[in-house]
Amino acid sequence: QKEVEQNSGPLSVPEGAIASLNCTYSDRGSQSFFWYRQYSGKSPELIMSIYSNGDKEDGRFTAQLNKASQYVSLLIRDSQPSDSATYLCAVNGGSYIPTFGRGTSLIVHP
Amino acid sequence: EPEVTQTPSHQVTQMGQEVILRCVPISNHLYFYWYRQILGQKVEFLVSFYNNEISEKSEIFDDQFSVERPDGSNFTLKIRSTKLEDSAMYFCASSGQGAVNEQYFGPGTRLTVT
Repeated sequence: QKEVEQNSGPLSVPEGAIASLNCTYSDRGSQSFFWYRQYSGKSPELIMSIYSNGDKEDGRFTAQLNKASQYVSLLIRDSQPSDSATYLCAVNGGSYIPTFGRGTSLIVHP
Repeated sequence: EPEVTQTPSHQVTQMGQEVILRCVPISNHLYFYWYRQILGQKVEFLVSFYNNEISEKSEIFDDQFSVERPDGSNFTLKIRSTKLEDSAMYFCASSGQGAVNEQYFGPGTRLTVT
């Protein structure tokens, strides 16, 4: 059974701070890693993908992958209240089908 | 920006009835998916579809479910004889040839079975 684990939160950070979201996965053969943002009552929105060890930056978002530790994280710099949402980690093994974590709820307070 | 669309946004049906959920994937995408999310729970994969056939399906996708691409644009999920536990958000997603792993989700259909 492939597992993707996330702390459900909520993670509360002040506006302008760095939010750090973490995810671990069980399948050592996983190859593709994604972060989705899901606002309440809405669909998941792909915000980052990462395929190799290290960091990948896109605007205020940085994804970090450590395959040896089976760990992927998402950093959000200069957090805004509009970033308040649930962040889903998704991991692909050998197929195109991701396994989703339960998500971490992020609250950015003014 | 192209997007996945889904209809209806909300469907209420009685237990035992059949429902069809509709999706229009992004026009140049070739891979299509259905997921469901029961309230408060994780997103669960149901089925993937490529080249006019099912490529993968989960344990959830049993004989009660079927998918079809009836024309060049629509992708449907049929649930026969709905059960109370089928109440969930159903999301359609699609991905393209160049980035098969990167899936784009539609807004979802909220299915309520009474």
